[in-house]
Amino acid sequence: HLQLQESGPGLVKPSETLSLTCTVSGGSTNTSKYYWGWIRQPPGKGLEWLGSVYYNGGTYYNPSLKSRTTMSLDTSKNQFSLKLSSVTAADTAVYYCARILVVVSNWFDPWGQGALVTVSS
Amino acid sequence: DIQMTQSPSSLSASVGDRVTITCRASQSISIYLNWYQQKPGKAPNLLIYAASSLQSGVPSRFSGSGSETDFTLTISSLQPEDSATYYCQQSFSLFTFGPGTKVHIK
Repeated sequence: HLQLQESGPGLVKPSETLSLTCTVSGGSTNTSKYYWGWIRQPPGKGLEWLGSVYYNGGTYYNPSLKSRTTMSLDTSKNQFSLKLSSVTAADTAVYYCARILVVVSNWFDPWGQGALVTVSS
Repeated sequence: DIQMTQSPSSLSASVGDRVTITCRASQSISIYLNWYQQKPGKAPNLLIYAASSLQSGVPSRFSGSGSETDFTLTISSLQPEDSATYYCQQSFSLFTFGPGTKVHIK
């Protein structure tokens, strides 16, 4: 039974870099069957896909955030990570990691429980 | 970019009612459309993938239909535990979520 768990600082100062890690258990990230993705949800708002990383290191980013986003995958640790630079209060959100199946209609399943990151001085 | 819209933004219905939520894409996305349920304080949960396929473990009262630009999620007989926000998501070109539909139980 695959599980994902986000971890990282819950408070980040404006203009700094937000860094989160997703640890995968119960399965391997070293497989061509899945992408690994990040999604965020500002308080009281909807879901926004941030980007995805593939087992070979290939990445896809949301165009609106691409200039500030870096994702990577460490298959030896079964972890993938998100870095979002130059954050502002608008980046305050619950950040989720999720697995994405590489088939028609790539869907997100399962999801981590989410990590609240607040951007404030 | 592909934009997704949902209607209504919220609805209130009684237990046992049939509920339909609509999702529309700004361009044709074939059947690259998934539906999620999210309860307060929880991560979204996959209900329907590829427009009409029911995810394992999801009650059969949930169903999806549609293709190209117009899609629907139907709850055939609303239950108290279905109170949640429902999101559609396209994967035809990158990924975009709809704004969500909040379902309340009367």
